[in-house]
Amino acid sequence: DADVTQTPRNRITKTGKRIMLECSQTKGHDRMYWYRQDPGLGLRLIYYSFDVKDINKGEISDGYSVSRQAQAKFSLSLESAIPNQTALYFCATSDGQGSREKLFFGSGTQLSVL
Amino acid sequence: GQNIDQPTEMTATEGAIVQINCTYQTSGFNGLFWYQQHAGEAPTFLSYNVLDGLEEKGRFSSFLSRSKGYSYLLLKELQMKDSASYLCAVSDMDSNYQLIWGAGTKLIIKP
Repeated sequence: DADVTQTPRNRITKTGKRIMLECSQTKGHDRMYWYRQDPGLGLRLIYYSFDVKDINKGEISDGYSVSRQAQAKFSLSLESAIPNQTALYFCATSDGQGSREKLFFGSGTQLSVL
Repeated sequence: GQNIDQPTEMTATEGAIVQINCTYQTSGFNGLFWYQQHAGEAPTFLSYNVLDGLEEKGRFSSFLSRSKGYSYLLLKELQMKDSASYLCAVSDMDSNYQLIWGAGTKLIIKP
């Protein structure tokens, strides 16, 4: 079983629709992240959470919101999807062991907004 | 500002050696990571450097020069399964230690 699970794996939606991407983890990590990946660009951080009561905006948070329902669950919402939000979305976790902490990624959600 | 540069694509031959370069400009450097990402899959951790020098791990080695803002990933005895994108990322103290990512280098291995 995957340590970091994202659902759905693929999603096609229409402009203006609300959509939620979900992430759950069994690694016991406190820190969770949402990134998007676009062709020709590096991964960009949308939101991150260091524990259940801590939510932080990343580089590109506009148009997105998140919810940390439990240590193991971190969901990303697009309140009103637009075509330039078409991208590959990754959830990741880390153990918070200092600057050399490495990220563990889910398998990704390919989102297409028509 | 913050910037990370790496070549878009490289081609190498099975069994050979390839070096993938990464240059960076950040105000609060706190370590450099390399990740491997196969097509359609999640990135996976390869290496971490925070001090100058070479870190060797099997067929893969990573080098860092902080004064030059430069790192490279060296892959030896290339195998077909090494065909992937290699992502360089820098931890930046001035961004709350969040990672700044390069766009990745797509490595194509030919028989």
